[in-house]
This record gives sequence, C-alpha cells and structure tokens, in this order.
Amino acid sequence: QSVLTQPPSVSAAPGQRVTISCSGSSSSIGDNYISWYQQLPGTAPKLLIYGNNMRLSGVPDRFSGSKSGTSATLDITGLQTGDEATYYCGTWASSLNIGFFGGGTKLTVL
Amino acid sequence: QVQLVESGGGVVQPGRSLRLSCAASGFRFNDFGMHWVRQAPGKGLEWVAVISYDGSEKHFTDSVKGRFTISRDSSKNTVYLQMNGLKSADTAVYYCARGLKDYWTGYHWDYWGQGALVTVSS
Repeated sequence: QSVLTQPPSVSAAPGQRVTISCSGSSSSIGDNYISWYQQLPGTAPKLLIYGNNMRLSGVPDRFSGSKSGTSATLDITGLQTGDEATYYCGTWASSLNIGFFGGGTKLTVL
Repeated sequence: QVQLVESGGGVVQPGRSLRLSCAASGFRFNDFGMHWVRQAPGKGLEWVAVISYDGSEKHFTDSVKGRFTISRDSSKNTVYLQMNGLKSADTAVYYCARGLKDYWTGYHWDYWGQGALVTVSS
C-alpha cells in the first residue's frame, strides 16, 4: 500500500479531459512538492510536472498540475491516444529523507 | 544530452548478491544526488535508495536497509547499488534516476535510465 494514493485507472474519449488525483498526508504531500511521471508501456518513467505545477520543457500545455493541502491533481485536456500510459505522482519527504510514489493510475483513451 | 545507462542485472538465487551500475553522462555528475527506484513486475514504482552529490549521505527504504548499499565513483561517473541477501521480493526492474533539488520547486527525479531487470529465483 502506497503512502500516496491514486485511483488505479481512469478513462475518457479522445478530446476529453481527465483528472488524476494523488492524496497523502502532511508529512508526504503537505510539506513537500509533488511531481508527476508518465510511463508508456514497456518504457522508463518520464518527468512531466515538477514543483506541483511546473511543466517540464517540451511537455504540451494540455498537461497541468496543482496541489492543495494534502492532495494533488494532474489534469490532461484534449486527450490523445498517445496519452495512454500509467501516471505516477511522487514526492521527496525531506524531513524523512525518503522518496514516495503513488501506486500509479492507468489512463485509457477509449 | 543526459544519459543514464544501467547494467549488471540478471538472474540470481535467493540469498546471493548482485551489483548494479549506472553510468552517467552529459552532465556534471558531482553536482547531483543519484537514486535507485525499482518496479516489480506489473507493479508501481518504489523508491529504493539515494546517495548525495558528494557521497556523504545515503538513505534507504526500510525493506532494503542492512542488505543494500549505494556508492558512487566520480572518476567513472558511475553510481552503484550493491544488493546482498537478495529475496524473491527484490525481483524488479531497477531504474537509476537523477535527483534535482531547487529551493522554489522542491525535489524531483528529472532523468531516468532504461532500467535493469533483476530476477531472484532458485
């Protein structure tokens, strides 16, 4: 069981919008920054969002992140079939010197 | 461009040892903390270990403490994960990742290697 909780799966049609949630505690999310990673099937994870809401250079603005209290969200608009992947939230708990990842959310674009 | 290339994976019997290597290039190796993150078959990501930019600090997830060690060689731009007393639960793809810390945006893993598969089985 992960310290960061994500829904196992989400789905939507091409062109639609999805929101992936990531919930935790004050010692995980509350006091630290959240980052989001995309893992396409059979490949290594790639950084998408860092510092709660900063898009990595080259990431389309269809992807956005936010954080409020002990929860964070990843929004993806204008869904494309190429967005089908598993998305993970992550954080570095600086007070504990430990990294945490959510369990991952598999996105299906119907 | 930044590259992280893992090697050393393979099949090993329970209780035996294995050492993973991660060769880094395309950046100032001595400026960054380096991490190992693993992914069991069909499962999610699990953070395993970190070594600070100068090797002075090392931290591990509880399940590997006392069995795994992490080290780095700045002359070879390489980080290592020595895994002793391996268990079947350690079977996973092990990724090397660069840690980036910024005052304004916190800590995140900005580059990842392609991974090395470790299978612990008799």
